[in-house]
Amino acid sequence: GEDVEQSLFLSVREGDSSVINCTYTDSSSTYLYWYKQEPGAGLQLLTYIFSNMDMKQDQRLTVLLNKKDKHLSLRIADTQTGDSAIYFCAEILSGTYKYIFGTGTRLKVLA
Amino acid sequence: IAGITQAPTSQILAAGRRMTLRCTQDMRHNAMYWYRQDLGLGLRLIHYSNTAGTTGKGEVPDGYSVSRANTDDFPLTLASAVPSQTSVYFCASSDSRGVDTQYFGPGTRLTVL
Repeated sequence: GEDVEQSLFLSVREGDSSVINCTYTDSSSTYLYWYKQEPGAGLQLLTYIFSNMDMKQDQRLTVLLNKKDKHLSLRIADTQTGDSAIYFCAEILSGTYKYIFGTGTRLKVLA
Repeated sequence: IAGITQAPTSQILAAGRRMTLRCTQDMRHNAMYWYRQDLGLGLRLIHYSNTAGTTGKGEVPDGYSVSRANTDDFPLTLASAVPSQTSVYFCASSDSRGVDTQYFGPGTRLTVL
């Protein structure tokens, strides 16, 4: 099927690391994405990784890609209260314009 | 303006009424999309358009129609609204090249009674 799976909730303490996991479906997706949605707003691109990469680091964000297992993760170091949001992973089905989004993981950061 | 605008911001609608959600982008993106967001179900694609003059069905197209008369506008119409169409609707666009990032509008919260 075309399901991109994520756990629905994650709660961490401020200053800890957060790891959000995603399992995607299309092994030939060129790019895989992480989007962030803050309350009452649309989604904004947080970061992306090209499919020939295993890891990408961008300041506090680290994306890991395991193509064999079709597993994508987003690690947020030193998580802050402003990181509280819903995080979506997404892929584009190869040969199409169709994005498939995961169900979203609601991250709650406790002070 | 820069980006995507949607109108209205929110709407309460009686079942059976017709409603058009508006979406305009000024980035000259080729591709545009409509999603609905429901708790626990994430974002589901309703319709999309690869370029002006063409449209395609997404995952949940029933009860919705779209048109793409020009590059900038991509309205979504509910011909006869039903309560199950209560949702938050997001319009998005992408330039379909390179990284192909999707840019999202702020959303329209629709309640059908």
